[in-house]
Amino acid sequence: DSGVTQTPKHLITATGQRVTLRCSPRSGDLSVYWYQQSLDQGLQFLIQYYNGEERAKGNILERFSAQQFPDLHSELNLSSLELGDSALYFCASSVGGGLRTDTQYFGPGTRLTVL
Amino acid sequence: EDKVVQSPLSLVVHEGDTVTLNCSYEVTNFRSLLWYKQEKKAPTFLFMLTSSGIEKKSGRLSSILDKKELFSILNITATQTGDSAVYLCAARSNSNSGYALNFGKGTSLLVTP
Repeated sequence: DSGVTQTPKHLITATGQRVTLRCSPRSGDLSVYWYQQSLDQGLQFLIQYYNGEERAKGNILERFSAQQFPDLHSELNLSSLELGDSALYFCASSVGGGLRTDTQYFGPGTRLTVL
Repeated sequence: EDKVVQSPLSLVVHEGDTVTLNCSYEVTNFRSLLWYKQEKKAPTFLFMLTSSGIEKKSGRLSSILDKKELFSILNITATQTGDSAVYLCAARSNSNSGYALNFGKGTSLLVTP
């Protein structure tokens, strides 16, 4: 158990809908990272927040957005969902802001299925 | 474009064998290379490598980085069935949009009794 929690575990929804995924980092960690893992694309970095502010951006679609709240939990919002958005979404956390020696610890993931 | 390539894609060995997994990378402003083990769900951290030529070791697993040739290897000796997993390598880079982890597609290892 990494100490990172994610809810829900599974989510099934229809195309065009909007969902919110939630992540609580390990105690003491200030950074939260979001990743998408699909069978064909592998693990893709989406976005990072550090102490409430966006720190780095990866391959995140405009239909997706995220935020980190004052209590450091983070939410990833996915809207206008398409079939291709079906994937496992991981959240990870780290102590610092992504420095070279900063290790990320992954949560159990949320499996999203879009029908 | 940043790129991390792992080989082989898949590997099946007998218990007791030694395996070597490869990871080559081309990323902007490379910072460090990380190895993860992914079984059923979340990746779990194995190693972080920042310096060339210094082997990191944890039990039967070891890893080394070559920053000149832009690759890393992960060795597992005396493999056990519990080593069966997908092994991911990731290169940390620093670009205008900040630090990011670029993952390879993984090597799937199956250890048979």
